[in-house]
Amino acid sequence: NAGVMQNPRHLVRRRGQEARLRCSPVKGHSHVYWYRQLPEEGLKFMVYLQKENIIDESGMPKERFSAEFPKEGPSILRIQQVVRGDSAAYFCASRGDFGAEAFFGQGTRLTVV
Amino acid sequence: EDKVVQSPLSLVVHEGDTVTLNCSYEVTNFRSLLWYKQEKKAPTFLFMLTSSGIEKKSGRLSSILDKKELFSILNITATQTGDSAIYLCAVDGTSYGKLTFGQGTILTVHP
Repeated sequence: NAGVMQNPRHLVRRRGQEARLRCSPVKGHSHVYWYRQLPEEGLKFMVYLQKENIIDESGMPKERFSAEFPKEGPSILRIQQVVRGDSAAYFCASRGDFGAEAFFGQGTRLTVV
Repeated sequence: EDKVVQSPLSLVVHEGDTVTLNCSYEVTNFRSLLWYKQEKKAPTFLFMLTSSGIEKKSGRLSSILDKKELFSILNITATQTGDSAIYLCAVDGTSYGKLTFGQGTILTVHP
């Protein structure tokens, strides 16, 4: 799982600013998942992307949140006009086409002040 | 909606003790159940279980699944302080690896 790279590790934003979280999956993996972990809670699914396509975004808030996984480059989770309730750890995971388990990155801890 | 419940939520033991962590689930289309260990960083994969009654083992850790009763247990024998972590149970109820996680069990092992 050391192959999934997320940056930044820590991100502080003021209310109303934009947050951009990056995830580089394990080389060769085309399946990317984003999860959010609020304090004292388990990980909650947000979105699943498969190279350039959003397959399942049922866990994403309808407004302010978006995700992409372009043909070249990392997957991006974008949060516009952040609010205090967005403060959480955001984890990315990737999986290969024939892989069974997903491997997680170290997460980005977003703090909104 | 898929649901995973872990118990206990927290557990404090001394080195050398054996612990059993529980995970029960409700899922419409069960594919697999996974255990992860989370320290202050990435959740690291421990086990994936798909079949009932077959124990998976890795060193002092072992896990088994009961698909009839819809639960799994994770056993850790001869615990060490390095086992202190949050243990996460998750189920995959889709064809594409979307995981539903439990709240986690916080294990603290004292020397």
